[in-house]
Amino acid sequence: QQPVQSPQAVILREGEDAVINCSSSKALYSVHWYRQKHGEAPVFLMILLKGGEQKGHEKISASFNEKKQQSSLYLTASQLSYSGTYFCGTEIIKGGNTPLVFGKGTRLSVIA
Amino acid sequence: DAGITQSPRHKVTETGTPVTLRCHQTENHRYMYWYRQDPGHGLRLIHYSYGVKDTDKGEVSDGYSVSRSKTEDFLLTLESATSSQTSVYFCAISLTGTQGGYTFGSGTRLTVV
Repeated sequence: QQPVQSPQAVILREGEDAVINCSSSKALYSVHWYRQKHGEAPVFLMILLKGGEQKGHEKISASFNEKKQQSSLYLTASQLSYSGTYFCGTEIIKGGNTPLVFGKGTRLSVIA
Repeated sequence: DAGITQSPRHKVTETGTPVTLRCHQTENHRYMYWYRQDPGHGLRLIHYSYGVKDTDKGEVSDGYSVSRSKTEDFLLTLESATSSQTSVYFCAISLTGTQGGYTFGSGTRLTVV
């Protein structure tokens, strides 16, 4: 049930782009994305509901393909501040009582 | 930012002793969650609550119990701590469940020796 994230880790130079993928074997109702910096708590980035919409947050955006049960997070023109571990959280049943199931995370390192 | 605090921030305890971690929120959010984070596993759900005295188990609930007697407090108890429960524990809150984002507390680093 745990979604699969890829890649597990990626190293970028400032200004480069990256894509992080999240795939589930279950039909999804929504996907969340979070970023966690070392030694800190995860921070909510965005939520995508079924319908294939794409959302944006600064230079970070995401898409959701409900037919493939996949979501992708796009980081463009990366900055040093983008470093951290990115987690997707998936909801497989519609409704507010079903907690998110998180992937194992993708560690992103941006270097100068 | 939502007001959510966890206590203690760090704890070292001995195998076999009971331990209680506290999550306190000032946002009157209905939903509260306990996750543990371990290297290579990401965040795994222990227990969650969708209202006062309404709780349910997550995927890794064995050896843990919870209580929520007030909206603002969600307690996680390790009934008899084991070394496998050494972890970082995060509490999270949400106003509308999965329809909105989760806000996480700063975490409790627990070491069982």
